[in-house]
Amino acid sequence: GAGVSQSPSNKVTEKGKDVELRCDPISGHTALYWYRQSLGQGLEFLIYFQGNSAPDKSGLPSDRFSAERTGGSVSTLTIQRTQQEDSAVYLCASSSGTGGNQPQHFGDGTRLSIL
Amino acid sequence: DAKTTQPTSMDCAEGRAANLPCNHSTISGNEYVYWYRQIHSQGPQYIIHGLKNNETNEMASLIITEDRKSSTLILPHATLRDTAVYYCIVRAGGRQGGKLIFGQGTELSVKP
Repeated sequence: GAGVSQSPSNKVTEKGKDVELRCDPISGHTALYWYRQSLGQGLEFLIYFQGNSAPDKSGLPSDRFSAERTGGSVSTLTIQRTQQEDSAVYLCASSSGTGGNQPQHFGDGTRLSIL
Repeated sequence: DAKTTQPTSMDCAEGRAANLPCNHSTISGNEYVYWYRQIHSQGPQYIIHGLKNNETNEMASLIITEDRKSSTLILPHATLRDTAVYYCIVRAGGRQGGKLIFGQGTELSVKP
């Protein structure tokens, strides 16, 4: 079946612009996660959504970052007034739940470059 | 902070078994051991996970010690395409299970 789909695969934008990154999770998966991976850094958690519960936003680095998930499916990560340090690969994952026995499956990410 | 310790890098000859160790001495009773790998320019790929018992699937085997303080991922016949960074992660369930905390992983190089 189809895996997690992210778009665009690459995005180049100027400092100060807003960007929107999209994630289509695996069909039927109720949990959706955003991570980012900066050059030379590990993967860091940003935010996750589980069903109708309030999202866990504890990993968002600043108030310039926000995310929403409409209709329990597609999610959009928005970065306002982008800075050069926002350059990274933004990864989305989904799972059938947040239980310890439910693996997360990742997309191939959006590579964001801020000029 | 990641709750696991892995060697920074390992080499393996093509066709031989690759045994990747992981220490997780502070693991809690409800935490699972997960393994992912990341090939350059791709997202992390789920490999296998387990709680107490050893597990096997089409990709790999996971051996967890009886005290659960360490585990080993085994790729039985490594190929050049198995060259990747391998991450060992401990993960709780429920509300705490929402996030994966990645460490630096083990960079496995499979050589001809």
